Formats: sequence, structure tokens, C-alpha cells
Amino acid sequence: ETGVTQSPTHLIKTRGQQVTLRCSSQSGHNTVSWYQQALGQGPQFIFQYYREEENGRGNFPPRFSGLQFPNYSSELNVNALELDDSALYLCASSLAVSNEQFFGPGTRLTVL
Amino acid sequence: SQQGEEDPQALSIQEGENATMNCSYKTSINNLQWYRQNSGRGLVHLILIRSNEREKHSGRLRVTLDTSKKSSSLLITASRAADTASYFCATDVNNAGNMLTFGGGTRLMVKP
Repeated sequence: ETGVTQSPTHLIKTRGQQVTLRCSSQSGHNTVSWYQQALGQGPQFIFQYYREEENGRGNFPPRFSGLQFPNYSSELNVNALELDDSALYLCASSLAVSNEQFFGPGTRLTVL
Repeated sequence: SQQGEEDPQALSIQEGENATMNCSYKTSINNLQWYRQNSGRGLVHLILIRSNEREKHSGRLRVTLDTSKKSSSLLITASRAADTASYFCATDVNNAGNMLTFGGGTRLMVKP
């Protein structure tokens, strides 16, 4: 157990809908990163938040957006869902000065 | 695109045997990490090796890094059925933070 929690565990949406995924970081960690993992592939970096500001972004369109709150928890929002958005979404927390990231169990999103 | 590529994509061995997985990457790195993932759930951090290190051990794990060849290997000695999982290497995307780029993973099956 890493102390990083994510909700919900599973989610089913239809194409065009919007979704919000949540992540609570490990105590003391001020940085949260989000990753998308398609079936059978490695995780791909979506973006990172440090002290409530976006601190870097991967190759994902603007309909993927996020927030980080003062308690360092975070949300990932995806608008206008597409079938290819079906994936496991992982969040990871870390200290900004540390490279070791602690992952949550993930949210499995299915878009029909 | 993914920075790291693991080889082989799948590996099946008997309990007690050693398992070796390789990772190649494309650009300069600060460090390289190995993670384990069970059944599409969250990733578990195994080991981090810095660019100025050549070999690192942790229990039954041994990691090597060759920056001249841009490659790393993960050796699991005396494998157990519980080692059955997917293993990913990950490199930091840039020098400013800890955003990770993952390879496609090696799916290891250890038969009892």
C-alpha cells in the first residue's frame, strides 16, 4: 500500500460525456502526476501538478485537464470522451525533489 | 511515443530460475526506474538507478545501467510464482522534474 488512493475504481461512460477522476496523494507529497495506460501498453504521462500549478504536460489534447487542491489532492477531468479514452488512469504522488513516484491503484474507465 | 522499450515483451520461466529483462531508451537521462504491475493495477516502485551508477541491488533484484548503450537490465534471481507480473522501466522526461516515460513492459510468468 502506497497511501495514494483513487476514486472511483471503475467507471463506464458513453462517448461525448465528461468524467472526473480523483486522487489523494500520500501524506507530505506536494506533487501529483497523472498517467493513462491503455490495455497491454505502458503508462503514458498526461500532466503533473506541483503546488496547485501545472508543472508539465504530455502529448494529450486540451480536453484533458486537471486541478490540484491546497491539500495536494488532485482531479483529472476529461471532456468529450472518445472510445480511445478507455484505459486505466493512474495517479502518482511524490516529493518535488524526489524521482520516486508512488502510484495509486488506478481508475478503470470504459467508454462505450 | 515511448522513451523506453523492454525486451522481451513476454517471458515464461519455472520457479527458481532467474529472469532477465532489458530496457533501451533514446535520450539522456538523470535516472532510470523499474516498476512492477500486477494484473493491471497500480505500479509498485522496485528500484531507481542514477545515471552515474552502473549496478544496484535490492534483495533478489539486480539492476544494471549502461549509459553509453542507453540500456538497462533487471535481473530477478530465484524467481517465485508471486513474481508473476508486468515489469516496466521508466526514465525521467526532462531535467526539471520527475515526469516519467515508460516502456511497453515485459510480462513475466513464473510457473510453480
